[in-house]
Amino acid sequence: GESVGLHLPTLSVQEGDNSIINCAYSNSASDYFIWYKQESGKGPQFIIDIRSNMDKRQGQRVTVLLNKTVKHLSLQIAATQPGDSAVYFCAENTNAGKSTFGDGTTLTVKP
Amino acid sequence: GAVVSQHPSWVICKSGTSVKIECRSLDFQATTMFWYRQFPKQSLMLMATSNEGSKATYEQGVEKDKFLINHASLTLSTLTVTSAHPEDSSFYICSARDGLATDTQYFGPGTRLTVL
Repeated sequence: GESVGLHLPTLSVQEGDNSIINCAYSNSASDYFIWYKQESGKGPQFIIDIRSNMDKRQGQRVTVLLNKTVKHLSLQIAATQPGDSAVYFCAENTNAGKSTFGDGTTLTVKP
Repeated sequence: GAVVSQHPSWVICKSGTSVKIECRSLDFQATTMFWYRQFPKQSLMLMATSNEGSKATYEQGVEKDKFLINHASLTLSTLTVTSAHPEDSSFYICSARDGLATDTQYFGPGTRLTVL
């Protein structure tokens, strides 16, 4: 069936470095994508979203890139901080607004 | 911003008992709420979509008689795990969609269920 997956399960970066988290999706009909951050024992927290008519969107310290040709999504975090340590999920919105989540990437920021 | 709460935040119950989890949208009306289950170190898996005033739509493989969902008002959806067993132990998370912004979902903090 359709699924959204991530390339790497873990990512470790030095504080202050930039982080790039990747995601591959398989449903070419999806038109809305979201990145979430989940800290241990908590619910997902919205970070940034992008629609399929865009290829880049920037927020505060975060940028999402969408490459529809290869069905690839990435999240870039600038100047990564220890508070950024968490599990990051990409999600693909299907019909009726249901979100299909990828497997998640654990980001660890080393001081 | 839109806030979604869940109650309880954690619950421990004996095998065979039923547990009810509440999901509330605190400052907006949610025509649609979603229930997810998350096992340790795994992703969120959608269980069902709950629409106010109508029956829930369950994902394939989710037993509707075991996971009862009621969405009686625009701000409250409940998930009842009936005859719980240890394998039902999981982190249950709800989300609510603001009826005015059809794509945006707001997630609750989750409920940790442990069945002994």
